[in-house]
Amino acid sequence: QVQLVESGGGVVQPGGSLRLSCVASGFTFSNYGMHWVRQAPGKGLEWVAFLRYDGSNKYYADSVKGRFTISRDNSKNTLYLQMNSLRAEDTAVYYCAKDFWSRYFDCWGQGTLVTVSS
Amino acid sequence: DIQMTQSPSSVSASVGDRVTITCRASQGISSWLAWYQQKPGKVPELLIYAASSLQSGVPSRFSGSGSGTDFTLTISSLQPEDFATYYCQQGNSFPRTFGGGTKVEIK
Repeated sequence: QVQLVESGGGVVQPGGSLRLSCVASGFTFSNYGMHWVRQAPGKGLEWVAFLRYDGSNKYYADSVKGRFTISRDNSKNTLYLQMNSLRAEDTAVYYCAKDFWSRYFDCWGQGTLVTVSS
Repeated sequence: DIQMTQSPSSVSASVGDRVTITCRASQGISSWLAWYQQKPGKVPELLIYAASSLQSGVPSRFSGSGSGTDFTLTISSLQPEDFATYYCQQGNSFPRTFGGGTKVEIK
């Protein structure tokens, strides 16, 4: 079955950096676009970034553009999110999600918590 | 960016009730809309895509309708396991955007 496992979250000071990873299994990773979606504590869902199956197209939310970079290594079935210049408002659970119909999200990881605090 | 507005933000209902949640897009999105269910402490799950298509494994008491800017999620007979928060999401354009959520609570 499809499985997505995120890692790399933790506590970081404002202005710091983190790199999240998402290891995929149970499907042909190199055939699917992938997303990052986040959820601040007690809040709703916010889409963060998308990367096409072949890495050719990337899209970002305005709130993270210029600070976050999405990438993938299809040989390792792994999706990444490099997060720089972190702010308190970036505190959230970060989910990786598999693209469905090039428009939706049909499988989600369990998430990794990022806390930005001094 | 396309803004998605859900109403109500919360609803209290009893087992067996019919529940309707509305989602409005700030501009037309054809039928490129999905609904997700998220239970407390759990990961969101895709219920409905393309406004009215039921995702595999989702009970038939869930249904979706609408096109353009106005959409509806209906639970025909609420079950105990349906108490959760529901989100709509537009797939028409980037950035993808979600509604603020509707919490379905026990009456």
